[in-house]
Amino acid sequence: GAVVSQHPSRVICKSGTSVKIECRSLDFQATTMFWYRQFPKQSLMLMATSNEGSKATYEQGVEKDKFLINHASLTLSTLTVTSAHPEDSSFYICSARGRGPYEQYFGPGTRLTVT
Amino acid sequence: AQKVTQAQTEISVVEKEDVTLDCVYETRDTTYYLFWYKQPPSGELVFLIRRNSFDEQNEISGRYSWNFQKSTSSFNFTITASQVVDSAVYFCALSEIITQGGSEKLVFGKGTKLTVNP
Repeated sequence: GAVVSQHPSRVICKSGTSVKIECRSLDFQATTMFWYRQFPKQSLMLMATSNEGSKATYEQGVEKDKFLINHASLTLSTLTVTSAHPEDSSFYICSARGRGPYEQYFGPGTRLTVT
Repeated sequence: AQKVTQAQTEISVVEKEDVTLDCVYETRDTTYYLFWYKQPPSGELVFLIRRNSFDEQNEISGRYSWNFQKSTSSFNFTITASQVVDSAVYFCALSEIITQGGSEKLVFGKGTKLTVNP
């Protein structure tokens, strides 16, 4: 149980275009999902917390207009990187909060390359 | 603010050696959780353990063991008789309460890259 999927697993896009990444909880409902970014050989940094039916809460320094988060259902959250630039190339990982305290189930990640 | 320090950036051992990964944390919360995750080259985070701040009992799971000491704010992870498949980056993480009511986030250390050579 507690499986989180992400789609796509890899994406290459051209500079200036937008790309959408989906995060799904497959066998449980997640009222809260989290989006992390990981640059090569670095740690995971939380970008935003996404609550179903409400606006996402962004961490300091993360541009909300550039990284659009939508959490329209209890099993799906999406991250759209708008007007992508090469410096947005990174590994994006989502997680979904489980029922237990401080439980987070992580997706497999999406590797974004902006050319 | 919460902070997690993994002072060992990279560790290299030979198969069958024991290895300990260090984790030191800082928090003002009285209730918190500590975690260890494994990230193999594929990138997917693998959950290893979650420990709450009130449970200082050491835990063993197969070749893995964890030593939690509140007095030194440490939560160290030991792999006994390491294997090549243990090669990965290991992250220690700490929960941080953002708001009253339980909204929280995880603060990760910078990770320790473990290489187990045959």
